[in-house]
Amino acid sequence: EDKVVQSPLSLVVHEGDTVTLNCSYEVTNFRSLLWYKQEKKAPTFLFMLTSSGIEKKSGRLSSILDKKELFSILNITATQTGDSAIYLCAVGIVNTGFQKLVFGTGTRLLVSP
Amino acid sequence: DVKVTQSSRYLVKRTGEKVFLECVQDMDHENMFWYRQDPGLGLRLIYFSYDVKMKEKGDIPEGYSVSREKKERFSLILESASTNQTSMYLCASKRDGNEQFFGPGTRLTVL
Repeated sequence: EDKVVQSPLSLVVHEGDTVTLNCSYEVTNFRSLLWYKQEKKAPTFLFMLTSSGIEKKSGRLSSILDKKELFSILNITATQTGDSAIYLCAVGIVNTGFQKLVFGTGTRLLVSP
Repeated sequence: DVKVTQSSRYLVKRTGEKVFLECVQDMDHENMFWYRQDPGLGLRLIYFSYDVKMKEKGDIPEGYSVSREKKERFSLILESASTNQTSMYLCASKRDGNEQFFGPGTRLTVL
């Protein structure tokens, strides 16, 4: 069974802290790993990773994939209250000929002022 | 910008009612998806469609059906709503690759 596990489940930090969110996976037919940010509405796309060891960066957020150890991390530096959200990790797979995403349960991040 | 819209943000229905959730995307995407999101369980795939009139079961299709009569519209149908279908329902669409674009969600409560 395809599985994506995120840790921690929830996290409270102070503004300015750096956080690291974890995502590990066990899937067949891996194609990519995606990170989404979900506030009180639609999940919004952050990153898609397909190759090991290549960091993707967008402002204070960065992410890297390790396909040998089957995990990814999402780093947020100098956190702000606007970073408070659920962060979803999803793995793209091919199953019965179709591309699908398998989601983790998410990490709920709260950044306090 | 891709836009995915869902017909209602909040919906309250009674057990046994037939419920329609509508999703529309404006970017000519072939693939559309319906998920439900529950605390501690994450997003789980109910059904998806890769073309007009084509549909495939996801991981939890029981109690649901779908309809895709036009490329831009994908409907989720609860034939006889039950309390265990109270959830947040998210629609998504994509073209090629794995990046999916999500709608704002419909929070359905079944009493």
